Amino acid sequence: DVKVTQSSRYLVKRTGEKVFLECVQDMDHENMFWYRQDPGLGLRLIYFSYDVKMKEKGDIPEGYSVSREKKERFSLILESASTNQTSMYLCASSHNAGAYEQYFGPGTRLTVT
Amino acid sequence: GESVGLHLPTLSVQEGDNSIINCAYSNSASDYFIWYKQESGKGPQFIIDIRSNMDKRQGQRVTVLLNKTVKHLSLQIAATQPGDSAVYFCAENMGGFKTIFGAGTRLFVKA
Repeated sequence: DVKVTQSSRYLVKRTGEKVFLECVQDMDHENMFWYRQDPGLGLRLIYFSYDVKMKEKGDIPEGYSVSREKKERFSLILESASTNQTSMYLCASSHNAGAYEQYFGPGTRLTVT
Repeated sequence: GESVGLHLPTLSVQEGDNSIINCAYSNSASDYFIWYKQESGKGPQFIIDIRSNMDKRQGQRVTVLLNKTVKHLSLQIAATQPGDSAVYFCAENMGGFKTIFGAGTRLFVKA
């Protein structure tokens, strides 16, 4: 059974803190994605990676960075958390041949106070 | 008052009835269309997809219809069950890495 796991389900951080969200997939997928999900806005792509050490900006990369040192792991970093980054963060992965079929983790609900 | 954009469209159906969830997509160049289901507390889960050269595709209890003329996509769920209660997202992809997701529709199934 395919699996995407995220390091935390719930996280509370203070404004200005550096925040790390980690995602691991066990399907040997080439592609990994980070989205944020806000009510009524659907999922918005922050960053994606199509290979180890490769990354591409999505639609809303400002205030975020990513790291992919190993194929199975994709980290999202908030350099200096702000209250407008309070959101649900979803990680996903996909096989190279079918990038449109993505497998999602359970999400991390981040609250920045 | 609250912005309309913060409220998800909602569909309420009786258990056993058929459900139809509609979606308007934006890009005529989109090549793949996908439906995802998101249950409470979980990430979205792939349900079914359809390529732009098709009008209809059937899965287990689900059918997706594509009307490219009016850029409309629908998901039909037969004999809706309580376990079908979730938020349903349509998504479009132009064949690359980027998938554009809709805002979602919340389906309530009444017992």
